[in-house]
Amino acid sequence: SAVISQKPSRDICQRGTSLTIQCQVDSQVTMMFWYRQQPGQSLTLIATANQGSEATYESGFVIDKFPISRPNLTFSTLTVSNMSPEDSSIYLCGGTVYSGNTIYFGEGSWLTVV
Amino acid sequence: QQQVKQSPQSLIVQKGGISIINCAYENTAFDYFPWYQQFPGKGPALLIAIRPDVSEKKEGRFTISFNKSAKQFSLHIMDSQPGDSATYFCAARRDNYGQNFVFGPGTRLSVLP
Repeated sequence: SAVISQKPSRDICQRGTSLTIQCQVDSQVTMMFWYRQQPGQSLTLIATANQGSEATYESGFVIDKFPISRPNLTFSTLTVSNMSPEDSSIYLCGGTVYSGNTIYFGEGSWLTVV
Repeated sequence: QQQVKQSPQSLIVQKGGISIINCAYENTAFDYFPWYQQFPGKGPALLIAIRPDVSEKKEGRFTISFNKSAKQFSLHIMDSQPGDSATYFCAARRDNYGQNFVFGPGTRLSVLP
């Protein structure tokens, strides 16, 4: 398995502000992903974080709203920009190890926008 | 085509009973099928997984049954316990999309003592 740490674990943010979530993974992880999980809902992929280059975004998610960085193999950040109450969600960092057979998740960052 | 369907949405089972959760998919490019368990306030954790060339996999009280021709797979929890109460997600890996995963909508399981 892989160890994935996220911070902050929870935050309450004001409408219109931005928040950056950090994800640190252990060295086994090759691919990193960011997912969103709205209350009581399933996981939706936001983007694949690519090392040293622009992230690959899924349909419905754009870089201006969710800028992502991955400066090295074991660290990535997701920024939620210009937040609105609709952005209140759990944001999950996930990673696959070299075989890619499964994805491991951090504990999630619980974001509430007021 | 990229969706994974899951049922039921919620499930209540008596302690000691069998919990069964079903999933179905359309995209034949999916090549790996894990199940995740999520407790409130926690991230999803891998429970058990199966490849499409295997019809059944068992780990302890948890069994995955896989029907490749029907494009369906299911999770069976034998001797369900109150500690199994959680939300369960089936998932499928899209290998031709860079090894990322699509998740079902989830099943909230409650096991009554």
